[in-house]
Amino acid sequence: DTEVTQTPKHLVMGMTNKKSLKCEQHMGHRAMYWYKQKAKKPPELMFVYSYEKLSINESVPSRFSPECPNSSLLNLHLHALQPEDSALYLCASSQEPPGNSGNTIYFGEGSWLTVV
Amino acid sequence: QKEVEQNSGPLSVPEGAIASLNCTYSDRGSQSFFWYRQYSGKSPELIMFIYSNGDKEDGRFTAQLNKASQYVSLLIRDSQPSDSATYLCAVTRLTGGGNKLTFGTGTQLKVEL
Repeated sequence: DTEVTQTPKHLVMGMTNKKSLKCEQHMGHRAMYWYKQKAKKPPELMFVYSYEKLSINESVPSRFSPECPNSSLLNLHLHALQPEDSALYLCASSQEPPGNSGNTIYFGEGSWLTVV
Repeated sequence: QKEVEQNSGPLSVPEGAIASLNCTYSDRGSQSFFWYRQYSGKSPELIMFIYSNGDKEDGRFTAQLNKASQYVSLLIRDSQPSDSATYLCAVTRLTGGGNKLTFGTGTQLKVEL
């Protein structure tokens, strides 16, 4: 079982709605990630938080707003999304700084988002 | 040139055979290499990681890394129908912003009875 927990598992929202995806990990990891995955495509990196600070933003539109309230929690706030934003949103975590473990990144089960 | 390249498949092997999955990467600064398995509708599940040249074995799985050739592979011995999935190769680079994991497009494996 994954130790990265994501809620909700499924979310349907209108284009004018505001919603949030939540992620929690209790592995003591200090790096957390948001990935987006469309059907039959690989996951694409959106954001990286390292020690609760945003360290990588892969030029994601501002309608996606990440937040890291503490080292165990990661949120993705959604506002004014478009139907093409419908996808599987994956949260992940890993150790920081890098170690001989290979910086293994563990994924949650994902949140399926449908924008109507 | 894509950062991580895989043959999309499908790769079909008979039950009990060895499945060989291949991946090449373009950035010589890549540090760690991962194989994830993804069933349809599910999230990626880590199968193996490797960061030193050579072979690494774990049960029926063997990962092979050749940094000089920028090549990483996954062998699955005694393939089972339950191994049918998409296998994603991924590599990490430590950037100034953090640990960046980039995926290949995945190879679909079908193990036939």
